[in-house]
Amino acid sequence: QVHLVQSGAEVKKPGASVKVSCKASGYSFTSHYLHWVRQAPGRGLEWMGIVSPSDGSTLFAQMFRGRVTMTRDTSTTTVHMELSSLTSEDTAVYFCARVVGAIPYYDVWGQGTLVTVSS
Amino acid sequence: DIQMTQSPSSLSAFVGDRVTLTCRASQSIANYVNWYQLKPGTAPKLLIYAASTLQSGVPSTFSGSRSGTEYTLTITSLQPEDFATYYCQQTYSAPFTFGGGTKVEIK
Repeated sequence: QVHLVQSGAEVKKPGASVKVSCKASGYSFTSHYLHWVRQAPGRGLEWMGIVSPSDGSTLFAQMFRGRVTMTRDTSTTTVHMELSSLTSEDTAVYFCARVVGAIPYYDVWGQGTLVTVSS
Repeated sequence: DIQMTQSPSSLSAFVGDRVTLTCRASQSIANYVNWYQLKPGTAPKLLIYAASTLQSGVPSTFSGSRSGTEYTLTITSLQPEDFATYYCQQTYSAPFTFGGGTKVEIK
């Protein structure tokens, strides 16, 4: 069975960085792109970017460029999302999601990781 | 970037009602639209992909359709477990933008 299991909740101070992990299991890790999506309190879903587990290539939403890094580790079938220069606006639940389909869609999601940015 | 304008932002309905949610894309995106249901404290759940294909295991009370750049999610008979927030998303081109969401509440 396909699973994406994310790392636990984090509390960070403004200006710090956070690294969220997403471990994949139950399928061929390098066969599917993984995306990151977040939801801030009281707000909608926001697409952050893509990482290719196959070659490590990435694509980010404009608002995160220069501040986000997405990497993969094929030995542990894990992708990581690191966000730097945190502000209170980055307080959100962060999700990873697997992409499938010729018309891409997310069939499996991680459980979400709450990141709280507070002084 | 492609904008997805979702309406209404919220609605109240009775159990058993038929409800229609709409997303309008800012340009032609073929059928590259998916619909997700989100409940507090849980991950989004895929309902419809490629505009009109029902995800396995999703009740047939959910359906999706397209007319030009307008995409519709219809719930033919609202059940208590359907009260949630619904999002459309386009995956035609990056950034893969979401609509603003429709919160479906109990009347």
